[in-house]
Amino acid sequence: EPEVTQTPSHQVTQMGQEVILRCVPISNHLYFYWYRQILGQKVEFLVSFYNNEISEKSEIFDDQFSVERPDGSNFTLKIRSTKLEDSAMYFCASSDEGSSDEQYFGPGTRLTVT
Amino acid sequence: SQQGEEDPQALSIQEGENATMNCSYKTSINNLQWYRQNSGRGLVHLILIRSNEREKHSGRLRVTLDTSKKSSSLLITASRAADTASYFCATHESGNTPLVFGKGTRLSVIA
Repeated sequence: EPEVTQTPSHQVTQMGQEVILRCVPISNHLYFYWYRQILGQKVEFLVSFYNNEISEKSEIFDDQFSVERPDGSNFTLKIRSTKLEDSAMYFCASSDEGSSDEQYFGPGTRLTVT
Repeated sequence: SQQGEEDPQALSIQEGENATMNCSYKTSINNLQWYRQNSGRGLVHLILIRSNEREKHSGRLRVTLDTSKKSSSLLITASRAADTASYFCATHESGNTPLVFGKGTRLSVIA
């Protein structure tokens, strides 16, 4: 069964450094998402992406964040200058028919900012 | 106030028993979805119920939706130790609005 994959599984970085989290969505899906989950808290929406542009973003997704689909398979989340509070699990998801459809989540990248 | 709040926060049952988790929400929705998350892992989609549906089944899972009360329940019958996980409801309001997740119910099934 096709699945969403994410790399790396764990990323440790120092405050102020840039990180890029990578995702390979399911190949025939057209809608892509990033969520984050701070330890012990709820899953929070960051951004959705369709047709090579951002379709929705939350208040969390400020100027420090950006997303890109650099080729036909990868979907990346960049955090320009990480803060301690960016430490969280970051999940990528994809869906076939938009945000009303079921979303398939990757296993997540645990980001630790020291 | 929060959209998609589950209760209880934690539930511990014996293997073979049924587990019921509830979710309440505040706004009108297009659909409500339930996800499972094993400790430290990604989210697995379980079931999607649309606003015009009242009940849906999938294997040992039964989901109900009461839009008048803005609530949903997830019932897992004949639970197994492998069902131990956190369960989240997520609501979708309309159009391209994103999924909004609740804080989840942590289910422990004791063998």
